[in-house]
Amino acid sequence: AQSVTQLDSQVPVFEEAPVELRCNYSSSVSVYLFWYVQYPNQGLQLLLKYLSGSTLVKGINGFEAEFNKSQTSFHLRKPSVHISDTAEYFCAVSENRDDKIIFGKGTRLHILP
Amino acid sequence: ETGVTQSPTHLIKTRGQQVTLRCSSQSGHNTVSWYQQALGQGPQFIFQYYREEENGRGNFPPRFSGLQFPNYSSELNVNALELDDSALYLCASTLGRLRNTEAFFGQGTRLTVV
Repeated sequence: AQSVTQLDSQVPVFEEAPVELRCNYSSSVSVYLFWYVQYPNQGLQLLLKYLSGSTLVKGINGFEAEFNKSQTSFHLRKPSVHISDTAEYFCAVSENRDDKIIFGKGTRLHILP
Repeated sequence: ETGVTQSPTHLIKTRGQQVTLRCSSQSGHNTVSWYQQALGQGPQFIFQYYREEENGRGNFPPRFSGLQFPNYSSELNVNALELDDSALYLCASTLGRLRNTEAFFGQGTRLTVV
């Protein structure tokens, strides 16, 4: 069965500092990987996705993620965060044969002034 | 903003009652999925509808049921509401198989059961 583990429930970081949000997944087959962002009182917005090809994926708002098959990880990074990046970030996985998306529990990103 | 709209945005119901939530999918999208997001948790898959047929179900009891209409809009019905059903309910639409298109999420319906 698929599962997603987000290793940090909260990550505080100073404005303009770099950030990494960690995600590990488990699946017995090839997977598609996603990062979604949820701003307060809103739905989910796709930041980026890995379907195949290059393991470094670039998304919106300056975020990028690297797929590491051997470590079953898909960590999200941004070189310099802004106060507007304050939100909940969800890592998610979907198997080839199945359209349902399995989400992690989320990481709350706190930007400190 | 996506083209997925959900109604109502907020709802308060009493334990034991029934509720219907609605979702209009993005134009041209024929697949709708429903997710439950409890406070402090990630969304959990409830079920998916593809061309008016249920196409996969998560670990939710039968009192959670759904419909998809010919225009691909969808309803989520929950009978015999329990306090633990309080959550944000999210609808997502895709054009066919997820591998080719991303899922677009609506803003959600916040259900409170008292």
